[in-house]
Amino acid sequence: EAGVAQSPRYKIIEKRQSVAFWCNPISGHATLYWYQQILGQGPKLLIQFQNNGVVDDSQLPKDRFSAERLKGVDSTLKIQPAKLEDSAVYLCASSLDSFGGTVIAFGSGTRLTVV
Amino acid sequence: DQQVKQNSPSLSVQEGRISILNCDYTNSMFDYFLWYKKYPAEGPTFLISISSIKDKNEDGRFTVFLNKSAKHLSLHIVPSQPGDSAVYFCAASQYTGTASKLTFGTGTRLQVTL
Repeated sequence: EAGVAQSPRYKIIEKRQSVAFWCNPISGHATLYWYQQILGQGPKLLIQFQNNGVVDDSQLPKDRFSAERLKGVDSTLKIQPAKLEDSAVYLCASSLDSFGGTVIAFGSGTRLTVV
Repeated sequence: DQQVKQNSPSLSVQEGRISILNCDYTNSMFDYFLWYKKYPAEGPTFLISISSIKDKNEDGRFTVFLNKSAKHLSLHIVPSQPGDSAVYFCAASQYTGTASKLTFGTGTRLQVTL
């Protein structure tokens, strides 16, 4: 079974520029997540989709971050404009469902550096 | 407010010995606890989980213990192997009314030495 695919792997941008990340979840997984992992911290949930609907975006900085999941499959996460503190690894993940204890499979992440 | 805490940033253990990684939590509404392992430049991978109604779950060399009264869980790896060297994240799941949400700790870096 193919894993969660993410691109690009690395991105360097200047502050105030915009950037977009792409994710393709495991086939058949209804739930898709975007996490932000800052160096030395654990992953923090930014947004959670169930099919193509948002079930949790309480920690998404909505003034600069946006995400969509088209047709309940692929997803993109956008940052516009980027700030220095957005430097982090952005992890996409997916799971069969959103029930407690469900195993979440992670992609390898996109390392973003904002200079 | 950090609801899931891993107070040891790093741990070094000799090959063949037991590794014990600890995790504390504050939210009594968590219903599942999971451990993930992360190698450099890779995403976290699932290791083992435990329901809040149990106190122990075992899978090969990995055992997770849950002490609900102390709001504490631990991961035991016996025997430890060099390939176990990685960052281990404790995570806790809570149903929010629409879906379950996972909260991660800050991680413990385990180094298994020869």
